[in-house]
Amino acid sequence: TQLLEQSPQFLSIQEGENLTVYCNSSSVFSSLQWYRQEPGEGPVLLVTVVTGGEVKKLKRLTFQFGDARKDSSLHITAAQPGDTGLYLCAGEDNAGNMLTFGGGTRLMVKP
Amino acid sequence: DAGVTQSPTHLIKTRGQQVTLRCSPKSGHDTVSWYQQALGQGPQFIFQYYEEEERQRGNFPDRFSGHQFPNYSSELNVNALLLGDSALYLCASRAPGIQRADTQYFGPGTRLTVL
Repeated sequence: TQLLEQSPQFLSIQEGENLTVYCNSSSVFSSLQWYRQEPGEGPVLLVTVVTGGEVKKLKRLTFQFGDARKDSSLHITAAQPGDTGLYLCAGEDNAGNMLTFGGGTRLMVKP
Repeated sequence: DAGVTQSPTHLIKTRGQQVTLRCSPKSGHDTVSWYQQALGQGPQFIFQYYEEEERQRGNFPDRFSGHQFPNYSSELNVNALLLGDSALYLCASRAPGIQRADTQYFGPGTRLTVL
């Protein structure tokens, strides 16, 4: 069974601070995705990383895929209150049929 | 263009009852997946439907069953409800011929409460 562990589970920071969320697994995934979920809504895709060592940037968000394609990180620079939400990582199986999600990191950015 | 829609939004049932949740995929999408998200946890894959057949299934008991219709919409049925079935049930759809999960879109979910 493939498992993804996210850390930390909860994070409360002040506006302007930097933060990093980690997603680790003992399994190799064909790709890894990061989602953000607001209360009462479904997850919304932020980015997909495919190649080991790949780094992608989305404005103040930087995503990295580990060399062995087993782990990933999400770094947010100068966090804003609008970044508040549940951040989920998910690994894709080789067939592209199912996603294995981590437990999520609930981020609160206080003004 | 409407995205993935789900109904109902909220549902309250009692233990032992049966429930049916519905999903309409995004226009042009033909593959539908269902996920269960318990409070404070990440979503867990239940199953995926393609061409009206279950293509892959996660670690869920037979009480969870599904169906896909010719118009690609889908239903999730749960029999003999347990308190632990209380969760947000998410539907996700994907476009034809696309094998990568990063092209799928999630609906807003149905919040099921079992009393």
